[in-house]
Amino acid sequence: QVQLQASGPGLVKPSQTLSLTCTVSGDSISSGGNSWSWIRQHPGKGLEWIGYIYYNDNTYYNPSLKTRVKISLDTSKNQFSLELRSVTAADTAVYYCARDRGKRRFDPWGQGTLVTVSS
Amino acid sequence: QSALTQPPSASGSPGQSVTISCTGTSSDIGTYNYVSWYQQHPGKAPKLMIYEVNKRPSGVPDRFSGSKSGNTASLTVSGLQAEDEADYFCCSYAGSNNFGVFGTGTKVTVL
Repeated sequence: QVQLQASGPGLVKPSQTLSLTCTVSGDSISSGGNSWSWIRQHPGKGLEWIGYIYYNDNTYYNPSLKTRVKISLDTSKNQFSLELRSVTAADTAVYYCARDRGKRRFDPWGQGTLVTVSS
Repeated sequence: QSALTQPPSASGSPGQSVTISCTGTSSDIGTYNYVSWYQQHPGKAPKLMIYEVNKRPSGVPDRFSGSKSGNTASLTVSGLQAEDEADYFCCSYAGSNNFGVFGTGTKVTVL
């Protein structure tokens, strides 16, 4: 059974960098066929895709966040990570990691982690 | 890229059916047969219910079905049960150099 677990600080100060890690079990992030995504959900709102990374380190980011985002792999730990720079209150959201099995078939999702941007 | 359009809410009594629409454009739903649907209970992560327009993952009841016509996809929940009360989001692929978009979300209430 594939499981994803997101982790990281729940509180980040404005202008700082939000850093989250997603630990994957039951599947190898270095095997082909899947991509690994970060998706966020503002309180009471819909889903917003942040970006994804393939096993070969190819990445693609939401154009609206592209200048501030970096997604990377750590194959030794079977993890992938998110960095979002220069955060503001508008970045307060629940952040999810998910496996894309192809053509936006997100399954499964991690449990989500709430990140609040506040001083 | 604009979000796919869903009705904010839908409802039905236990045992009835409810259908949720998801309207996109010729750049996403209209071109690709890669529409997925997700169920989200409060405080929980989304769960895949339908992929590739009308395929169900293992473990998803056959009460859930999907379809597509033109630029609009639909999710039908038949034989509504109390546990079907949740938010539902659609998502469409939009090409290899484009992530695609999520829908605005629909809250389904079981009366």
